[in-house]
Amino acid sequence: AQSVAQPEDQVNVAEGNPLTVKCTYSVSGNPYLFWYVQYPNRGLQFLLKYITGDNLVKGSYGFEAEFNKSQTSFHLKKPSALVSDSALYFCAVRDNNAGNMLTFGGGTRLMVKP
Amino acid sequence: NAGVTQTPKFQVLKTGQSMTLQCAQDMNHNSMYWYRQDPGMGLRLIYYSASEGTTDKGEVPNGYNVSRLNKREFSLRLESAAPSQTSVYFCASSGQGWYEQYFGPGTRLTVT
Repeated sequence: AQSVAQPEDQVNVAEGNPLTVKCTYSVSGNPYLFWYVQYPNRGLQFLLKYITGDNLVKGSYGFEAEFNKSQTSFHLKKPSALVSDSALYFCAVRDNNAGNMLTFGGGTRLMVKP
Repeated sequence: NAGVTQTPKFQVLKTGQSMTLQCAQDMNHNSMYWYRQDPGMGLRLIYYSASEGTTDKGEVPNGYNVSRLNKREFSLRLESAAPSQTSVYFCASSGQGWYEQYFGPGTRLTVT
């Protein structure tokens, strides 16, 4: 079975500071990893993915994430947070042996204060 | 392209009533999915359709049925709504060889 944990319900950062949203995963095979963002009353928007290759992946809106196989983590990062980054962030995993099914974490609310 | 569209946006049902949530995508994607989102629980997969003509159960299928009407459309039916089905429902799609899923705007359902 595959699973995802987002250990923080909420992350607070000041505008201009770096941000990290944590994600750890568990799969039996090789993981495909994703980050999505959800703004209020909207659907999820795809940010970035790790399938294979370079452990540091870059995505939309200046976000990046680092795949760490030994720590089974895929933390989302941004060097300088914006107030407009405030939203709900979801990490998701797909086991490459488990078809198309994604498993989502519980979500982390990011609050960026001016 | 409209992407993934869902109707209705909001719905209030009484316990025992039935309804169908509609989803359509215009990206020529093979796979389509139905999720429910509840506070603190992320998204949980209800049913999915890997390709036209096939459907499979996800994590929480009880109380729901689905129909993959054609490649574009994937509907979710609640035969006898229960208060535990109060949730926000999202439809998503993904293309063959693609890995990420694309989501619709959601349907907010309340069952009283």
